[in-house]
Amino acid sequence: GAVVSQHPSWVICKSGTSVKIECRSLDFQATTMFWYRQFPKQSLMLMATSNEGSKATYEQGVEKDKFLINHASLTLSTLTVTSAHPEDSSFYICSAIGMKSETQYFGPGTRLLVL
Amino acid sequence: QKEVEQDPGPLSVPEGAIVSLNCTYSNSAFQYFMWYRQYSRKGPELLMYTYSSGNKEDGRFTAQVDKSSKYISLFIRDSQPSDSATYLCAMEEGGGSNYKLTFGKGTLLTVNP
Repeated sequence: GAVVSQHPSWVICKSGTSVKIECRSLDFQATTMFWYRQFPKQSLMLMATSNEGSKATYEQGVEKDKFLINHASLTLSTLTVTSAHPEDSSFYICSAIGMKSETQYFGPGTRLLVL
Repeated sequence: QKEVEQDPGPLSVPEGAIVSLNCTYSNSAFQYFMWYRQYSRKGPELLMYTYSSGNKEDGRFTAQVDKSSKYISLFIRDSQPSDSATYLCAMEEGGGSNYKLTFGKGTLLTVNP
């Protein structure tokens, strides 16, 4: 149980375009979802926390207008990187917590490369 | 000083060795402690979850928490090549923290056959 999926697993895009990443909890309802970014050989850095039906809470230094998060249902959250630039190239990972859980379950990650 | 300190390694051991991984922290509000395993280009996988000081064992893995010293450890017995991965410690304040985790930098472990 507690499976989280992400789509796509990797994406290459041109600078200036927008990219949408989906995060789904497959076998549980996620009251809270988290989005992280991980650069090579670095730890996970929390970008934002989202609760179903409400606006996401962004960490300090994360531009909310650039990283749009939508948590439309209890099983789906999306992260849209708007006007992507090469410095946005990174590994984006989501996680989710269920109603009866105290721990985060992570998705497999999405590797974004902006050319 | 960062909230969570973890030696990034790399750590290389022969198969069958006992591995010790450690993290220290400065925030006394941390109440929950986790160890995640992350294979290359994959998301983290929860290995151990502990709340109180003391030891917790699960198969070949033992997690140890010493809140008085603000120090946590993960021991891997009879290490296998399949244990080769990055191990991340993570901590949570609990209460009204909304489950927010603070991660260590991760320790890269290689178990050689």
